[in-house]
Amino acid sequence: KQEVTQIPAALSVPEGENLVLNCSFTDSAIYNLQWFRQDPGKGLTSLLLIQSSQREQTSGRLNASLDKSSGRSTLYIAASQPGDSATYLCAVYQGAQKLVFGQGTRLTINP
Amino acid sequence: NAGVTQTPKFQVLKTGQSMTLQCAQDMNHEYMSWYRQDPGMGLRLIHYSVGAGITDQGEVPNGYNVSRSTTEDFPLRLLSAAPSQTSVYFCASRPLLGLDQPQHFGDGTRLSIL
Repeated sequence: KQEVTQIPAALSVPEGENLVLNCSFTDSAIYNLQWFRQDPGKGLTSLLLIQSSQREQTSGRLNASLDKSSGRSTLYIAASQPGDSATYLCAVYQGAQKLVFGQGTRLTINP
Repeated sequence: NAGVTQTPKFQVLKTGQSMTLQCAQDMNHEYMSWYRQDPGMGLRLIHYSVGAGITDQGEVPNGYNVSRSTTEDFPLRLLSAAPSQTSVYFCASRPLLGLDQPQHFGDGTRLSIL
């Protein structure tokens, strides 16, 4: 059974820092991996999708990497801002469509 | 461009009552799914559908029914609500063949069973 783990569970950093969020998964036979952002009481917003054949994806200040062989993905946030405060969820595609989620990293950026 | 729309946003039920959570998408996506989000458990797949007339069970299907009569709509039914079904429910959709396309989620339905 696929298990997805996100470490740390919570992270608090001062504004302007570069930071890395980690995601690990137990079964390397995944299709894709998707990172989401969830604000308190809100839905999930897709940040980046990495296909299984790709090593990384970038969008603005965000860069996500994927290493299937080691079962790891990282989300790099550059020059963090208070507006980046949210919970970040990692999800792997088990098959072409089903998502298996980690429990998230709650990120707080302090002004 | 509405995306995935869920109604209602909030609902309180009594144990044993029934209700239907609505989900509609306007992107012509074949694949739709329902997840529940609970503290300490993350999001877990309840049911999914790969097209009209086709549904299947996910990880936690007990106590829930689904049907898919159109491409746009994928309602989730609770036949006899139980306190254990208190949760936040999310609907998602995606093109069936678009492996480079992300899944799109609705804003959720927050359900409390008393």
